[in-house]
Amino acid sequence: DAGVIQSPRHEVTEMGQEVTLRCKPISGHDYLFWYRQTMMRGLELLIYFNNNVPIDDSGMPEDRFSAKMPNASFSTLKIQPSEPRDSAVYFCASSLGLAGTDTQYFGPGTRLTVL
Amino acid sequence: GQSLEQPSEVTAVEGAIVQINCTYQTSGFYGLSWYQQHDGGAPTFLSYNALDGLEETGRFSSFLSRSDSYGYLLLQELQMKDSASYFCAAPDNAGNMLTFGGGTRLMVKP
Repeated sequence: DAGVIQSPRHEVTEMGQEVTLRCKPISGHDYLFWYRQTMMRGLELLIYFNNNVPIDDSGMPEDRFSAKMPNASFSTLKIQPSEPRDSAVYFCASSLGLAGTDTQYFGPGTRLTVL
Repeated sequence: GQSLEQPSEVTAVEGAIVQINCTYQTSGFYGLSWYQQHDGGAPTFLSYNALDGLEETGRFSSFLSRSDSYGYLLLQELQMKDSASYFCAAPDNAGNMLTFGGGTRLMVKP
């Protein structure tokens, strides 16, 4: 398997623009997670899905952020409108089962810069 | 809620042994995981302790004491390639979401 795939790898945009990050989890994994990593706040969980259904989005910072998983092989994280403080590395991860017992496999991340 | 504390930085020399500690406060506890992240890379899984004691995987070992809410990652025979950030992580009381510690940046010097 190719592992978790994310696109784009780098994104530079201007404040106010819409940004869409994409993720393809490992085939057969039932759980998908979106994380954000910054120097100040470390690695934070934003939202996770189980069998394509959003289970917990309490980590989503505000209404400007939204995530979808239309099928088992694709998820998006959208920021609209983007702000400079959204600049971070966004990781998608997937796992077979519960985080407590199953390894999470991370994608390479998308480095987002909002000017 | 969950909180995990670990030192921000550790320095060691090649060939040495280093221990990275993690103390945690969790509302429930399923176990402690460790992830490695090289600069510019993604976190990758190293180990998981569900029960007290030591788990060994090659040069890396991980220890857990549930009564002390404490764990550590032990790296032996350090190599330059071990220079990376190391994160401890614990799931929530439903076992679904991971909370990560702030990470320990390990610098291995020749």
